[in-house]
Amino acid sequence: SYVLTQPPSVSVAPGETARIACGGDNIASHSVQWYQQKPGQAPVLVIYYDLDRPSGIPERFSGSNSGNTATLTINRVEAGDEADYYCQVWHISDHYVFGPGTKVTVL
Amino acid sequence: EVKLVESGGGLVKAGGSLRLSCAASQFTVGSYDMSWVRQAPGKGLEWVASISSSGRFIYYADSVRGRFTISRDIAKNSLDLEMVSLRAGDTGRYYCAREGEHQLFDYWGQGTLVTVSS
Repeated sequence: SYVLTQPPSVSVAPGETARIACGGDNIASHSVQWYQQKPGQAPVLVIYYDLDRPSGIPERFSGSNSGNTATLTINRVEAGDEADYYCQVWHISDHYVFGPGTKVTVL
Repeated sequence: EVKLVESGGGLVKAGGSLRLSCAASQFTVGSYDMSWVRQAPGKGLEWVASISSSGRFIYYADSVRGRFTISRDIAKNSLDLEMVSLRAGDTGRYYCAREGEHQLFDYWGQGTLVTVSS
């Protein structure tokens, strides 16, 4: 089975940059999606196909994918960005695979 | 605006059954692949099952295969999940999600809570 890893938590001061890593074996060969989930709410797609943003998602959110690590970057972090973030890929044997999630705390 | 509204959750004893439903609006479930994704309390997201737009292809996570059945009702424009032989480990919020192009979830419902008591 294909496994994704994420750090449990990331803390960042307002206005700074948050980077969340998603690790997986040769993850660069997969298309990576990122979802934001705020407490009590459903997940929201914030990055798809490694680096594209759905309409309505601020340009502060960006993504990259290389080698064994995909990264979600949030520039100029705001208090409203505090949430859990999940990476996701599709794998032929497991179908949809999610990372364990990273809790972003805005200090 | 695309909307997904789940229903059917509740409290059930281990070994019992439940049927979840997801009503879709502003799009046709027969035109998209659809999935159920669940989240145990305080835990991460877990894909449960998918059905293709044609209904011909159905996939399940190993953890639910043989116990859960995904289906859709074109006339009602809804997605269903029949769950039998429920276990405590099935407890969680169950989300209905629409699959966009190239294996991603572009719209999610608010979820329905399933609690299995042992």
